[in-house]
Amino acid sequence: EAAVTQSPRNKVAVTGGKVTLSCNQTNNHNNMYWYRQDTGHGLRLIHYSYGAGSTEKGDIPDGYKASRPSQENFSLILELATPSQTSVYFCASGHRDWDNQDTQYFGPGTRLLVL
Amino acid sequence: GQQVQQSPASLVLQEGENAELQCNFSSTATRLQWFYQHPGGRLVSLFYNPSGTKHTGRLTSTTVTNERRSSLHISSSQTTDSGTYFCAIDRMDSNYQLIWGSGTKLIIKP
Repeated sequence: EAAVTQSPRNKVAVTGGKVTLSCNQTNNHNNMYWYRQDTGHGLRLIHYSYGAGSTEKGDIPDGYKASRPSQENFSLILELATPSQTSVYFCASGHRDWDNQDTQYFGPGTRLLVL
Repeated sequence: GQQVQQSPASLVLQEGENAELQCNFSSTATRLQWFYQHPGGRLVSLFYNPSGTKHTGRLTSTTVTNERRSSLHISSSQTTDSGTYFCAIDRMDSNYQLIWGSGTKLIIKP
């Protein structure tokens, strides 16, 4: 079973402050993803990465930066947090199976509240 | 753009009843997956089912690609099946990104 961990699990931040959400995976997957989940929505892709040193914009990248310093670690950075960024954030790692399936394994999520 | 619509948005059943969840998508998908989110938030992959029928335990997924629809059938539901079920399809412009539906929240009453 793939292991994806996130920290912190819960975070309260102030408007205008900097927030860094961290994700670590121990299964040597090339692909990693950051999603946010809001009530009434499915998951929405913020940033993703194909490997160490790469970051790509997803569907809703505005207000977020990403960093992939190593195969194992993928961070999501909110330079100037706003209340609209209050959400639950999920990290996932993924790889291609033998049948071309892109299996994604999810972390437990981080609840972020921006006051 | 590509869209994924799930129905119903919520479903309440008595334990033992069967559940039928629907997913419709706006373009031909080469990869369709079903995911389950535990009430506590944890997400797990259930099925990768781009076409045809797949079974695992009490769950059956049927995807009819040319009709752009997929269903998830849960037989003899149990309270532990409660949670939210998502379907997601691949993006046409990327091999690594998924477009997610809004989910079906399933509540199984004892």
